[in-house]
Amino acid sequence: QSVLSQPPSASGTPGQRVTISCSGSSSNIGSNSVSWYQHLPGTAPKLLIYSDNLRRSGVPDRFSGSKSGTSASLAISGLQSEDEADYYCATWDDSLNGLFGGGTKLTVL
Amino acid sequence: QITLKESGPTLVKPTQTLTLTCSFSGFSLTATGVAVGWIRQPPGKALEWLALIFWDDDKWYSPPLRSRVTVTKGTSKNQVVLTMTNMNPVDTATYYCAHYHFGDFDFWGQGILVTVSS
Repeated sequence: QSVLSQPPSASGTPGQRVTISCSGSSSNIGSNSVSWYQHLPGTAPKLLIYSDNLRRSGVPDRFSGSKSGTSASLAISGLQSEDEADYYCATWDDSLNGLFGGGTKLTVL
Repeated sequence: QITLKESGPTLVKPTQTLTLTCSFSGFSLTATGVAVGWIRQPPGKALEWLALIFWDDDKWYSPPLRSRVTVTKGTSKNQVVLTMTNMNPVDTATYYCAHYHFGDFDFWGQGILVTVSS
């Protein structure tokens, strides 16, 4: 069971806005930056968001990240079929351990 | 252009030691701030961070696996080696190596599926 809690699934129709949450604690999200990764089965995970809310170069501005206290969120607006994937939040804890969330499977209906 | 690729056995027996090599290009592990990490994903499960090795040979390990995992720089300057002892079927997973940049893994290898079975 992951230290970072994510909903196991999320869904939306094309064009909709969906949000994926990631809940942690003061020793991880509360004191370290959060990243978000997109993972399509059979491929390498892809970094989307870093430093809580910075979009990596080349990532569509439909993707945005935010953080408040010990929780973070990834928002995807204008949902597209190609966005169907697994999404993971990640951070480090104060003991220098890498942490990934349990992952959220996004379905585009 | 940064690329990484994992290589090693795809099948190991229980209790054996797994050795995986990450071969990379497009960056130097001697440059300040650079690191290479290892992450795995068991079938149907989440990503799990394993280890990180820095340009200055500092190493970070996942606490649950610290006693079994070792990461070293390879004999070639563009390689990193992951060793995991006493392999168990629960260690069956796709193992990835990735370029680490200020807290994030911004480039990943394609991954290698390692199955632990007798």
